[in-house]
Amino acid sequence: AQSVTQPDIHITVSEGASLELRCNYSYGATPYLFWYVQSPGQGLQLLLKYFSGDTLVQGIKGFEAEFKRSQSSFNLRKPSVHWSDAAEYFCAVGNNDMRFGAGTRLTVKP
Amino acid sequence: GAGVSQSPRYKVTKRGQDVALRCDPISGHVSLYWYRQALGQGPEFLTYFNYEAQQDKSGLPNDRFSAERPEGSISTLTIQRTEQRDSAMYRCASSLGGWGTGGADTQYFGPGTRLTVL
Repeated sequence: AQSVTQPDIHITVSEGASLELRCNYSYGATPYLFWYVQSPGQGLQLLLKYFSGDTLVQGIKGFEAEFKRSQSSFNLRKPSVHWSDAAEYFCAVGNNDMRFGAGTRLTVKP
Repeated sequence: GAGVSQSPRYKVTKRGQDVALRCDPISGHVSLYWYRQALGQGPEFLTYFNYEAQQDKSGLPNDRFSAERPEGSISTLTIQRTEQRDSAMYRCASSLGGWGTGGADTQYFGPGTRLTVL
């Protein structure tokens, strides 16, 4: 069965620092992988996705993620965090019956 | 429309009442999905449709939950005899979808309906 683990419930980084949010998945075939962001009171916004091809994918807002099949990981990165990046981040795997991780809450310190 | 819309945005009901939650997908999107999101958790898949056909309802927690999409556009998620444990955010998503994508499809989410069962 497909599943997603986000090991970090809450991460705090200083503004301007780099960020990496971890995501590990379990999936029987080549996975479709997604990162979504949810700001307080808002819906889910797609940051980026991986279907096939280049394992380093670029998304919106300066985010990128790297698919590593050998590690079953799809970690999200950003070189320099802005205060507006504070939100909840969800990794998801699958296709029609998409499975989400529990989320990582990001706090940005001034 | 410009995005996925859901109504009502907030619903408060008493235990034992039935509720109907509506989702209006992006125009032209073939596939429609329902998720439930408990506080502090990620969305949990409930069911999805291609056109008017319900393709997978394995995520519906029990037979009090049902969904329909009779004309292949607007969908309604109905919860009968609500219980307090049904309180959650119910999210709808749509995608271009259809049979040819093999699932390589991006889902666009609506703002959700916050259901509170007293």
